[in-house]
Amino acid sequence: DAGVTQSPTHLIKTRGQQVTLRCSPKSGHDTVSWYQQALGQGPQFIFQYYEEEERQRGNFPDRFSGHQFPNYSSELNVNALLLGDSALYLCASSLEGDETQYFGPGTRLLVL
Amino acid sequence: QQQVKQSPQSLIVQKGGISIINCAYENTAFDYFPWYQQFPGKGPALLIAIRPDVSEKKEGRFTISFNKSAKQFSLHIMDSQPGDSATYFCAASTNAGKSTFGDGTTLTVKP
Repeated sequence: DAGVTQSPTHLIKTRGQQVTLRCSPKSGHDTVSWYQQALGQGPQFIFQYYEEEERQRGNFPDRFSGHQFPNYSSELNVNALLLGDSALYLCASSLEGDETQYFGPGTRLLVL
Repeated sequence: QQQVKQSPQSLIVQKGGISIINCAYENTAFDYFPWYQQFPGKGPALLIAIRPDVSEKKEGRFTISFNKSAKQFSLHIMDSQPGDSATYFCAASTNAGKSTFGDGTTLTVKP
């Protein structure tokens, strides 16, 4: 049973560019949440997708957007990258109604 | 506004000792309190979780103590081992999925 997978593992971009990160949830899970983890800090909630809709959103600007596909996989898009967007981006999957989240290994994004 | 405060920032314990990490929250609507363990280069992994209707939960060497009136909860790691060396995060949520995390505690267990 595959756990949560994320791609790519590492990414280097320059300021102003756009990036797309991908997540495949744990088998059987229908809900995907995205978090940003800056170095030395705890994960910060970006948003959550369920039934292909953004259901909850944290305190992140509109530059951060996402999508969920019919197979429950998800993408996180970040436009107009800033140096401060450099972080580990984590995807977590869960089953609707269950608080238990399973995290992927993350995508390490470096913005130069 | 930080809704979950975690302490200490770092902790050094001798092998076989007890590691204790504390968290305090502000939002009384939180109803689920998980603890995660994170190793370098990995995503957080759920260790143990508790709901506010229970004051203590134990799973193996890991115990959560919960004080609803004080809005505090803590993680106790008994018989700490070098393999427990990692960063530990407390979290709190009001509904499924959206979790608010503490800033983490880096635990080092010395052999």
